[in-house]
Amino acid sequence: DQQVKQNSPSLSVQEGRISILNCDYTNSMFDYFLWYKKYPAEGPTFLISISSIKDKNEDGRFTVFLNKSAKHLSLHIVPSQPGDSAVYFCAASGNFGNEKLTFGTGTRLTIIP
Amino acid sequence: KAGVTQTPRYLIKTRGQQVTLSCSPISGHRSVSWYQQTPGQGLQFLFEYFSETQRNKGNFPGRFSGRQFSNSRSEMNVSTLELGDSALYLCASSLTTGEHQEFFGPGTRLTVL
Repeated sequence: DQQVKQNSPSLSVQEGRISILNCDYTNSMFDYFLWYKKYPAEGPTFLISISSIKDKNEDGRFTVFLNKSAKHLSLHIVPSQPGDSAVYFCAASGNFGNEKLTFGTGTRLTIIP
Repeated sequence: KAGVTQTPRYLIKTRGQQVTLSCSPISGHRSVSWYQQTPGQGLQFLFEYFSETQRNKGNFPGRFSGRQFSNSRSEMNVSTLELGDSALYLCASSLTTGEHQEFFGPGTRLTVL
């Protein structure tokens, strides 16, 4: 029962273009969403987050959009840079149950120079 | 500030053995969570400790256990290892148990033969 889904296991984008990573969730009780980036042999590092009371949050080249009615969020990276090549995990949390963070399965982003 | 550290980084065990993994959180962080990462499954929450008490627990069998010491350092133990326990085990810390954002260590890669 995958409550947070990242349906694209991989994505390739030309350097300088926009990268769009998508994430869907099924549990309407989630109220906080995060994106983490992971390089090989390292732990995930926090990138950006959004509360369910907002529909957009920006931090430099990174913007996260939340569509609560569709239970969908996306991460936009503009412009994409070679250092952005990594695995991106979407995660969700809520004040219920016993899961601290529920993660998606990740999307491997490759930026082509 | 030093990040989250985990030891050992790599471990090879055989079926039926037990293993203990260690995690030192960021100085001042009192909450420690453990996650298992396997290909295709993303990160799955194991448990969270705060003030030496288990606060949350994911859906893993009782062979997976943990503890936290008074200095916030944490250990997790897996008994009677199975081949399917081969994974990257990630530790994450946060200031308190209510924090959404967690800071991850580099992980311990466990291989069960």
